[in-house]
Amino acid sequence: AQTVTQSQPEMSVQEAETVTLSCTYDTSESDYYLFWYKQPPSRQMILVIRQEAYKQQNATENRFSVNFQKAAKSFSLKISDSQLGDAAMYFCAYRSARNYGGSQGNLIFGKGTKLSVKP
Amino acid sequence: DAGVTQSPTHLIKTRGQQVTLRCSPKSGHDTVSWYQQALGQGPQFIFQYYEEEERQRGNFPDRFSGHQFPNYSSELNVNALLLGDSALYLCASSLGWQGRAGNTIYFGEGSWLTVV
Repeated sequence: AQTVTQSQPEMSVQEAETVTLSCTYDTSESDYYLFWYKQPPSRQMILVIRQEAYKQQNATENRFSVNFQKAAKSFSLKISDSQLGDAAMYFCAYRSARNYGGSQGNLIFGKGTKLSVKP
Repeated sequence: DAGVTQSPTHLIKTRGQQVTLRCSPKSGHDTVSWYQQALGQGPQFIFQYYEEEERQRGNFPDRFSGHQFPNYSSELNVNALLLGDSALYLCASSLGWQGRAGNTIYFGEGSWLTVV
C-alpha cells in the first residue's frame, strides 16, 4: 500500500521569505502523480501544484515550485516570496495512474503541515 | 460554472442515528469520491463512484455506504453513528480515467458532522 509522510507538523516563515515543506512517499508503482493541496480555514481543498512521475522536470506554478526526487521518493514544496494569504494547512498527496475500471485512482494524503506567515 | 457543492454544511447527530450527506459534482464531471477528515488529520479516502458503481473503497466499515445517481450526484450514508464518526466529510469530483495525463480532482467545502 502507498503511504505519504509529512514530517513537519508546523512551519513558520517571514513574509516575503522562502519556505520549503517536506514530503516523502512510499510506493511500488512507477506511474503516479503527486500533489500539494492547500486547506485554508474555510476547509476547502485547493490544488497548489501537481507533478507527473514520468516527467523529469520539476513543476512550477508562479511562486510555488517542487523538488521531485523519484529515486528518493521525495517531493518537497518551495514557496517563494511568502504572502500572508499563504497561511494554511498544506497536504502532500499521492495518486496512482492506474485505470480502476474507468475511474482514476484516489488521493492518499499525508497528515499535513500547518504554515504560519509572520508579517 | 458551479463547482462541487455539498449539503448540509453542518449537522449534529446522536450516537446510533443515521446520516445522509449529499454532493453535486462539478459540471461535466462523472466521478465522485468521498473523504473523511478528522480534526488535525489529512483526509482519508472512503469510496469512489463512477457510472453509478462503487469502483474503489478505502478501509471503512460497511456502516459507510453510498450511491451515485444518473445525474452523477452522490450520497454518503453512515449508519449506527459513533462518536468517532465526527469529522469533516469532503466530496471530490473529477472525470473518469483520462489516460496517462490524468485530470484534476476538485473538492467541495465539506459537511461538518458532529456526533454527540
